[in-house]
Amino acid sequence: DTGVSQDPRHKITKRGQNVTFRCDPISEHNRLYWYRQTLGQGPEFLTYFQNEAQLEKSRLLSDRFSAERPKGSFSTLEIQRTEQGDSAMYLCASSLDGTGPPDTEAFFGQGTRLTVV
Amino acid sequence: KQEVTQIPAALSVPEGENLVLNCSFTDSAIYNLQWFRQDPGKGLTSLLLIQSSQREQTSGRLNASLDKSSGRSTLYIAASQPGDSATYLCAVTSGTYKYIFGTGTRLKVLA
Repeated sequence: DTGVSQDPRHKITKRGQNVTFRCDPISEHNRLYWYRQTLGQGPEFLTYFQNEAQLEKSRLLSDRFSAERPKGSFSTLEIQRTEQGDSAMYLCASSLDGTGPPDTEAFFGQGTRLTVV
Repeated sequence: KQEVTQIPAALSVPEGENLVLNCSFTDSAIYNLQWFRQDPGKGLTSLLLIQSSQREQTSGRLNASLDKSSGRSTLYIAASQPGDSATYLCAVTSGTYKYIFGTGTRLKVLA
């Protein structure tokens, strides 16, 4: 297993277009997180899944954003009608945690850099 | 609401120095604290995880301490090297199970 994998690494899109990102977590990791990071800032939480269940969504995740993890393995993050303010690095992380509080390391992918022009 | 602050925001040191990075958090009821490294344009690399019941963790030249009652953690880097140049981020989990990050310390180690 080579770690958390994200695809694509870079995406340039025109304002108003839809984009979809994919995250493949470490095998058997049951918890999966999405974060967004802008230049000079720490990552901001967007949403997380416990297996296939989406358990929490940030207020940052407007109606234009949707995330899925249909079989509890890979996850997708879709942004509809992109805006210039959506330009950021989108990071995915996974961990092997039970249903309780996190007590293991979270491992991050290399991120998807989105540029909306 | 949990808030995480990292001081200093940037640090430049000559090679070989020992250095300390600071992280503070407002709500002491955390589950754990994790230190990460981030190279420019890259993802995050996990360095050390400290559970709320632990006081410190060590990995090679890195040592992280946790004082939960005062809401502080420090990352100590011994004998710094140019390859240590990166942004260092700390994150805590509390309340719900997400990680709350600081804005990071940008470290530059001069050869």
